[in-house]
Amino acid sequence: DAKTTQPPSMDCAEGRAANLPCNHSTISGNEYVYWYRQIHSQGPQYIIHGLKNNETNEMASLIITEDRKSSTLILPHATLRDTAVYYCIVRVAFGFGNEKLTFGTGTRLTIIP
Amino acid sequence: EAGVTQFPSHSVIEKGQTVTLRCDPISGHDNLYWYRRVMGKEIKFLLHFVKESKQDESGMPNNRFLAERTGGTYSTLKVQPAELEDSGVYFCASSQGHGTSISGELFFGEGSRLTVL
Repeated sequence: DAKTTQPPSMDCAEGRAANLPCNHSTISGNEYVYWYRQIHSQGPQYIIHGLKNNETNEMASLIITEDRKSSTLILPHATLRDTAVYYCIVRVAFGFGNEKLTFGTGTRLTIIP
Repeated sequence: EAGVTQFPSHSVIEKGQTVTLRCDPISGHDNLYWYRRVMGKEIKFLLHFVKESKQDESGMPNNRFLAERTGGTYSTLKVQPAELEDSGVYFCASSQGHGTSISGELFFGEGSRLTVL
């Protein structure tokens, strides 16, 4: 799986949009971008994933650049409960055999009241 | 619907003893994964079951670790004998089979914290 680069930490004011960047310059054509987060000591939680089009769900939006070498996870209205470590992971398409997730160090997002 | 459950939530054992961790995946999920995080390190993949078969066990650190998934339902991870460096949090995750899942989303349990003294 391609490696990703994320800033180690970020702060965001409560109620504002949190924009978390991720670089994945060596991503392959069959690799998706996944985002997970880990709140305190809980198990990781899936947020969103995409291939090349922008995606949105009830939790977040994912913006992938046209060359697919970077992406941004957007939490539109951050709350204190969004304080967590956010992981950007690239992974081959589900069902092609290598479905394990490779976690990096992630970005520690702190929401400030 | 119940999520992924793990037992015990915390285990404290002495070096050389044996510990068995259990994971109950979400009902109907063919895929089951074990991960672990040792202190100060990243979350690392251990292995992946598809039903009762080991699909990928490339992350298992050594032969002191034995994972089983008899009958393709729950899974156990045994550490025997435990060493100090095995301390950490062991996460289990499950996902639906490829034919029924588009996202391949993994659902994680709360983890089992292992402390080896």
